[in-house]
Amino acid sequence: QKEVEQNSGPLSVPEGAIASLNCTYSDRGSQSFFWYRQYSGKSPELIMFIYSNGDKEDGRFTAQLNKASQYVSLLIRDSQPSDSATYLCAVNLGGGADGLTFGKGTHLIIQP
Amino acid sequence: GAGVSQSPSNKVTEKGKDVELRCDPISGHTALYWYRQSLGQGLEFLIYFQGNSAPDKSGLPSDRFSAERTGGSVSTLTIQRTQQEDSAVYLCASSLSTGGFNQPQHFGDGTRLSIL
Repeated sequence: QKEVEQNSGPLSVPEGAIASLNCTYSDRGSQSFFWYRQYSGKSPELIMFIYSNGDKEDGRFTAQLNKASQYVSLLIRDSQPSDSATYLCAVNLGGGADGLTFGKGTHLIIQP
Repeated sequence: GAGVSQSPSNKVTEKGKDVELRCDPISGHTALYWYRQSLGQGLEFLIYFQGNSAPDKSGLPSDRFSAERTGGSVSTLTIQRTQQEDSAVYLCASSLSTGGFNQPQHFGDGTRLSIL
């Protein structure tokens, strides 16, 4: 049974601070990792993806992957009120089993 | 169009009726996926297509659910004899190909299905 775990929150962060979102996954064979942002009533929007251990930066966003610990995180620097949303962690086993397994998401609130 | 297109955006139907949901993927994307998201729940994988083939049907909740894809493009998800527990947002996504690495999936706006 593939599982992806996230703290549901809400996670409250002051504007301008760093928001840190965490995710653990159960399937050690997982190969690709994705972060999606979902505003209320909207569909998920891809933020970042990562497949190698270490950090990957894109603008204010940094994804971090540690396969040994089965842990992936998303850092949002200089948080803005528009970053307030639910952040979904998704994991892809790869090798043909390509349906994503999603966590239930962390609700992030950026306080002005 | 530039993104994944789904129709209808909303569907209200009576219990026991059949419904058909449509997804038109991003042009050139060979892989297509169906998920559903129930209120307060995470996204649940249903089925994916590589071209017109569906290698993985493991997520379909019951035999009332079926999906097809023709011409390697548009896909339809059909739910027969709908039940109230089928009420959810049905999301379609597409990607360039399967194979795992670096093939992010891009989502459509979804179909909100309500079973009365």
